[in-house]
Parts: sequence; structure tokens; C-alpha cells
Amino acid sequence: QVQLTESGPGLVHPSETLSLTCTVSGFSLTGYSVYWVRQPSGKGLEWMGRMRYNGDTSYNSALKSRLSISRDTSKNQVFLKMNSLQTDDTGTYYCTRGPIFAYWGQGTLVTVSS
Amino acid sequence: DVVLTQTPPTLSATIGQSVSISCRSSQSLLHSNGNTYLHWLLQRPGQSPQLLIYLVSRLESGVPNRFSGSGSGTDFTLKISGVEAEDLGVYYCVQGTHAPYTFGAGTKLELK
Repeated sequence: QVQLTESGPGLVHPSETLSLTCTVSGFSLTGYSVYWVRQPSGKGLEWMGRMRYNGDTSYNSALKSRLSISRDTSKNQVFLKMNSLQTDDTGTYYCTRGPIFAYWGQGTLVTVSS
Repeated sequence: DVVLTQTPPTLSATIGQSVSISCRSSQSLLHSNGNTYLHWLLQRPGQSPQLLIYLVSRLESGVPNRFSGSGSGTDFTLKISGVEAEDLGVYYCVQGTHAPYTFGAGTKLELK
């Protein structure tokens, strides 16, 4: 069955770079897109960017200068890197399968704090 | 970027009551391929979002048929015909027609 699992450091210091991994199973990254979505605590959902099935990427306009999404199809993994983290980047980060957001990971909590 | 305006922000309902949530887009969500990538999600407290309705009106497998979606172009509605206790949470519309994709701000469904 389709599964997505996010993994990452949990705690990041201000100004540092966040690196997250989304490991998928039950489908191919060359057949489906994967999106990253985040949610500050107690707030709404924010679409961050996508890795399309063909390797193309798109990013949230407000984040694109800090954000990079890549993949390793042999390992069934999609990666998110975001630099210059600040405290308002604290929240839960999800990966989800496109094109209709049908499958979601459990999310990984990222806290930005010194 | 496309802006999705969801109303109301909060909805108080009794069990069995029918309710509707509106999602209005700043531009048409009709894709050049003929599909309209407007979907509805429910996020229960402490859980990941789950898909309820996709492509405006198609019911996701396993979702009760008291949920229905309608609309076209820039105006969309999610209806719950007879709220049940398990329906409480925050509802989001999301568009996947125009990158960057965007979410509505959410509608919190509470028990009256």
C-alpha cells in the first residue's frame, strides 16, 4: 500500500539549514509527484513545493529563495532543504502524493530554537 | 499566486445538521487539460490531513456519502448532509491547477 514517511532532525538552530527526507513506498517517484506542506503550530496548511514525476520542481513564491527539493528515485526518497531558518519556520512538515493529495505522511515536527 | 478564500472560518453545528463551506478562488481553476484541481481535506485534531473530495465533486474511497462537493470556475462548496461527531476538525480547500499550489485558510467545524 501507499506510504510516505518524513524524517528529519527535530531541532534546528536559527540561521541553520533544515534537511528533511520523505521516503515513499507503494508507488514510483517517476509516476507521481510529491509535495511538501508545512503547518505552524495551531495554524493552517502551507504548500511549500513539489517534485514532479518528471523531475521538475516548483516552489512557494515566499520560500523559493531559501528552498530546494530534490530526489533519489533509486532510494524512493524526496528531499527538502531550506536555509536561513527562523523561529517562525517552526511547525510540522508533511509530504503528500500528488496530484490530488490523497496520501499523507504522519508529519515531522521541526522546532527552530537556540 | 492563486488566493483561496474560505468561509466561514468557524462553523458551529449540532449532530444531524447539514452545513456548507464555501471556497472562492481569485482565478479560474479550470486546467487546460479540462480538469479542475480543487480538492477538500479534513484535518482532525492531532492527525494528518485526509482527502475527502477531489476534482471538485469526486468522493474519495472510504469517505461517507454525506460529504459532497460542487462548483466550477472560481466558486466551490463542500456540503455535509447530517454532521456526525467524527466530522469535527478543520476543513481545507486546496487548488492544484496553478503552481504554486495554495490552500484556503481553513474552516473549523465545532459542536454547538
